[in-house]
Amino acid sequence: AQSVTQLGSHVSVSEGALVLLRCNYSSSVPPYLFWYVQYPNQGLQLLLKYTSAATLVKGINGFEAEFKKSETSFHLTKPSAHMSDAAEYFCAVSDDTGKLIFGQGTTLQVKP
Amino acid sequence: KAGVTQTPRYLIKTRGQQVTLSCSPISGHRSVSWYQQTPGQGLQFLFEYFSETQRNKGNFPGRFSGRQFSNSRSEMNVSTLELGDSALYLCASSVIGQGASYGYTFGSGTRLTVV
Repeated sequence: AQSVTQLGSHVSVSEGALVLLRCNYSSSVPPYLFWYVQYPNQGLQLLLKYTSAATLVKGINGFEAEFKKSETSFHLTKPSAHMSDAAEYFCAVSDDTGKLIFGQGTTLQVKP
Repeated sequence: KAGVTQTPRYLIKTRGQQVTLSCSPISGHRSVSWYQQTPGQGLQFLFEYFSETQRNKGNFPGRFSGRQFSNSRSEMNVSTLELGDSALYLCASSVIGQGASYGYTFGSGTRLTVV
C-alpha cells in the first residue's frame, strides 16, 4: 500500500533563506506525487505534481521538487522564502485507484 | 473560470443530527472526491464519484454517504452525527476519473462542528 511520510511537522526559516520540506513515499508502482499548500481556513492548492515526465518539477510561486526514485523522496524546495509562504504543506501520492494519500503535513513558519 | 464551490462554509450541528454538504465542481469536471481533514487523523479519503457512480470508497462507516447528480454536482451526507465528525470536509474535482495524473482542484471546504 502506498504511504507518505513528511519529516518534520514544523519548519522555521528566515525570510530569504532556503526552504526545504521533506517527503518520502512508499509505492509499489511508479507513483504520481503531489505537493499541496493550505493557507488558514482555505482548501488545498496544488503547487506541483510529478507524473513521470521530468524528475525535476517546477511549480507555482517559485517552488520545485525533485523526484529521486533511489531515495523514494520528493522533497520540496524554494531558494528564497517569502513571508507569504507561511502555510501548511502536504505531500501526497496517488494509489492505483487514483485517490490521494496525504502525509501529515508540515507547517512552514517564515521569520522576518 | 469558477473554481470548486462548497456550501455552506461553516456548520454547527448537534450530536445525533444529520447534515448534508454540497460541492459544485469546476465546469466540465466529471469526477468529484471528498476528503475529511482533522488535526488527529489528517486528510483522509471518503469517496469518489464519476458520472453519478461511486467509483471508490474510503474506510469510513456507513453513516457517511454521498451522491452525484447529472450535472456533476455532489452532496455528502453524514447521519447520526458524532463529536468526532467535527472536521473540515474538502471536495476535489478532476477532469475525468482517475484524476491523479491530471491533478485535483480542491474547494475551500465546509467546516463542520458537532456539539
